[in-house]
Amino acid sequence: DIQMTQSPSSLSASVGDRVTIICQASQDISNYLNWYQQKPGKAPKLLIYDASNLETGVPSRFNGSGSGTDFTFTINSLQPEDIATYYCQQYGHLPPWTFGQGTKVEI
Amino acid sequence: QVQLVQSGAEVKKPGASVKVSCKASGYSFTGYYIHWVRQAPGQGLEWMGWIDPNSGGPTYAQRFQGRVTMTRDTSMSTAYMELSRLRYDDTAMYYCARVRGTSGSYGFWGQGTLVTVSS
Repeated sequence: DIQMTQSPSSLSASVGDRVTIICQASQDISNYLNWYQQKPGKAPKLLIYDASNLETGVPSRFNGSGSGTDFTFTINSLQPEDIATYYCQQYGHLPPWTFGQGTKVEI
Repeated sequence: QVQLVQSGAEVKKPGASVKVSCKASGYSFTGYYIHWVRQAPGQGLEWMGWIDPNSGGPTYAQRFQGRVTMTRDTSMSTAYMELSRLRYDDTAMYYCARVRGTSGSYGFWGQGTLVTVSS
């Protein structure tokens, strides 16, 4: 199975800061990497698909990059409504599709 | 618009089974796999498997093999996930999800079904 190592597990930042989250795959997954935002009591919401594509309707301050085994998710200019937990998810190769452990973003 | 509506919360005793439904609307039900993802309280997301609504063929995560059964009823545009021999650590929110297109990204989620295992 492909393991996804996400870091940090939590972070605290100020409004307007740039926030960066890293996700590393245990083997090459090309660009088969997605990022989700989850707020308490809600289902996850897709933000970035295929490593760098912004989902329709998602603010442009969210950005994703990377390929192979190393991926980066960035929030440019953190807003109060961005307080949530963020997950990476891979779907490369065979199942299982796996998620990172999550990063809790606080202000 | 695409909607996935799940059945309500369940409370089950250890050793029992639970069956969660996921009713799809707004698209061709047989055109997209339905995936199941669970989340224990305060924990991360765990992929359980998928079902191809067209063929009915499921694929399960190894750790649930033998305990999970995914089925569908195409006439009702509904997918089902049944988990048997429930344990306390099966207490979780269970989500169904659909990919957004050719990408393996979950663009659509059900609202979640809370399954509580308690004696």
